[in-house]
Amino acid sequence: GQQLNQSPQSMFIQEGEDVSMNCTSSSIFNTWLWYKQDPGEGPVLLIALYKAGELTSNGRLTAQFGITRKDSFLNISASIPSDVGIYFCAGQTFGAGKSTFGDGTTLTVKP
Amino acid sequence: NAGVTQTPKFQVLKTGQSMTLQCAQDMNHEYMSWYRQDPGMGLRLIHYSVGAGITDQGEVPNGYNVSRSTTEDFPLRLLSAAPSQTSVYFCATGRTATSPYFGPGTRLTVT
Repeated sequence: GQQLNQSPQSMFIQEGEDVSMNCTSSSIFNTWLWYKQDPGEGPVLLIALYKAGELTSNGRLTAQFGITRKDSFLNISASIPSDVGIYFCAGQTFGAGKSTFGDGTTLTVKP
Repeated sequence: NAGVTQTPKFQVLKTGQSMTLQCAQDMNHEYMSWYRQDPGMGLRLIHYSVGAGITDQGEVPNGYNVSRSTTEDFPLRLLSAAPSQTSVYFCATGRTATSPYFGPGTRLTVT
């Protein structure tokens, strides 16, 4: 089946730094999704991307849908302590009705 | 408006026991799905439904059954629990499959 490679697996950064993480796939996706999961909670949708080349922002978060349709990245600018959590990418193919998730990037922000 | 509710929040089963994990939503979403999340891993799709009366298998369906008799409810049944089914189970809903919203999860331990 389809698999997503999400990197890095974990990041330890200082408050105020910018963060970048990405997902790559051997298959083409029509939709890319980025989620954040806090401990003990379900994932929360941050950004959804529907078109190759699309660049979308949500506050300090910016995500892009790669031109090849096989990758996506998420940037967080000026990190703050509440950014701590696990970030997941997910890809969908048109009409498939299901998402394939990456293994997540665990972000730690030091004050 | 309760959104997505999952019951129970925690459950311990013995090998061979059966149980049903409940998922309910009051947002009139057509799309509902079940994922499992194992430590250090992303979410893997078990089963999903694009509307009442319609279900389909996801990535890891073995050992699980589902039915969708109403728009609001999508129960997940474990017929004979196994230790390999120890995991956190998330229900997700959405107007379409494009951007599912996740419930708070059920933490299941099978001994």
